[in-house]
Amino acid sequence: AQSVSQHNHHVILSEAASLELGCNYSYGGTVNLFWYVQYPGQHLQLLLKYFSGDPLVKGIKGFEAEFIKSKFSFNLRKPSVQWSDTAEYFCAVNTGTASKLTFGTGTRLQVTL
Amino acid sequence: DTGVSQDPRHKITKRGQNVTFRCDPISEHNRLYWYRQTLGQGPEFLTYFQNEAQLEKSRLLSDRFSAERPKGSFSTLEIQRTEQGDSAMYLCASSQGPSRETQYFGPGTRLLVL
Repeated sequence: AQSVSQHNHHVILSEAASLELGCNYSYGGTVNLFWYVQYPGQHLQLLLKYFSGDPLVKGIKGFEAEFIKSKFSFNLRKPSVQWSDTAEYFCAVNTGTASKLTFGTGTRLQVTL
Repeated sequence: DTGVSQDPRHKITKRGQNVTFRCDPISEHNRLYWYRQTLGQGPEFLTYFQNEAQLEKSRLLSDRFSAERPKGSFSTLEIQRTEQGDSAMYLCASSQGPSRETQYFGPGTRLLVL
């Protein structure tokens, strides 16, 4: 069974700082990878996803993520965060044969002015 | 664009009571998922449907939990004889098909069992 690890549980950054959130998964086969975001008081929404092709994926609001197969990683990045990026970020994975998502425990990002 | 809706948004019940939650997916989506999320954790998969067929159930789903999706449209999740450990956010999501498709989440139903 697949699993997902997010090592950063709580990250505090100043506005304009660069962001990188780690995500590692364990599964030996083909995977689809997702980053979801949950803004305060809102429901989960998709930031970006990867299933094949260019391992550098661009999503909404200036976020991007890089799939590194050899490291089983799918880290999320943003060059310059804004106060409005304050939210909880979840990495998730599913496989070609099982569409259920397996989520990490999430990273709470707090951006200060 | 109407998203995934869930009802009720909040439910407080006493231990031992039965509760039922409803999820209305995005209309053209044939897959519907239920997840549970507790504080400090990511969502955990419970079960999913393709049209009206329940294709997978998690081992987390005890015999007290049952889900249905009659006619392949809305779905209900029932918890019988609730326990305090059932307190959580119950999330519904829907997607258009294969696993690479985006799952769109509803706002969730927050259950508190006293």
